[in-house]
Amino acid sequence: DSGVTQTPKHLITATGQRVTLRCSPRSGDLSVYWYQQSLDQGLQFLIQYYNGEERAKGNILERFSAQQFPDLHSELNLSSLELGDSALYFCASSVGGAIGDEQYFGPGTRLTVT
Amino acid sequence: DAKTTQPPSMDCAEGRAANLPCNHSTISGNEYVYWYRQIHSQGPQYIIHGLKNNETNEMASLIITEDRKSSTLILPHATLRDTAVYYCIVKNNNAGNMLTFGGGTRLMVKP
Repeated sequence: DSGVTQTPKHLITATGQRVTLRCSPRSGDLSVYWYQQSLDQGLQFLIQYYNGEERAKGNILERFSAQQFPDLHSELNLSSLELGDSALYFCASSVGGAIGDEQYFGPGTRLTVT
Repeated sequence: DAKTTQPPSMDCAEGRAANLPCNHSTISGNEYVYWYRQIHSQGPQYIIHGLKNNETNEMASLIITEDRKSSTLILPHATLRDTAVYYCIVKNNNAGNMLTFGGGTRLMVKP
């Protein structure tokens, strides 16, 4: 158990819908990262927040957005869902924003878009 | 970040050492080598990282060649629970903390 929690574990929804994935980092960790793992693209970094501020952006679609709240939990919002958005979404956390901090991953949310 | 090359799959007998190679011939001087693994569809798990010197922790050892163009992750006594995909990642720690995952090596530990 990494100490990172993600809800829900599974989510099934229809194309065009909007969903919100939630992540609670390990106690004391200030950084949260979101990754997407699909069969054709592998594990890809989406976005990082540090202490409420966006720190880095990866291959995140414009239909996706995220935020980190004052209590440090984070939410990833996916809208206008397409079949290709079906994937495992992982949240990870680290102590700081920087450099070399090892990341602890949550169990993931499996999103199925039908 | 430098690109890495790993064999797509490897087998290892239970109780024996598993040696997982990684080539990173374009690594630059300030880039670290990180290893993570992913068991089935669980979240990736940090194993170890290093810059130049060999490193060891309770999970594994990391051997980095003198020219730093390749490295080997060693699991000294592999168990069935070590069956996973192992990712070698080269990361410039001055360019943010995001991880760039490649295809990894699927290690199968057999009884």
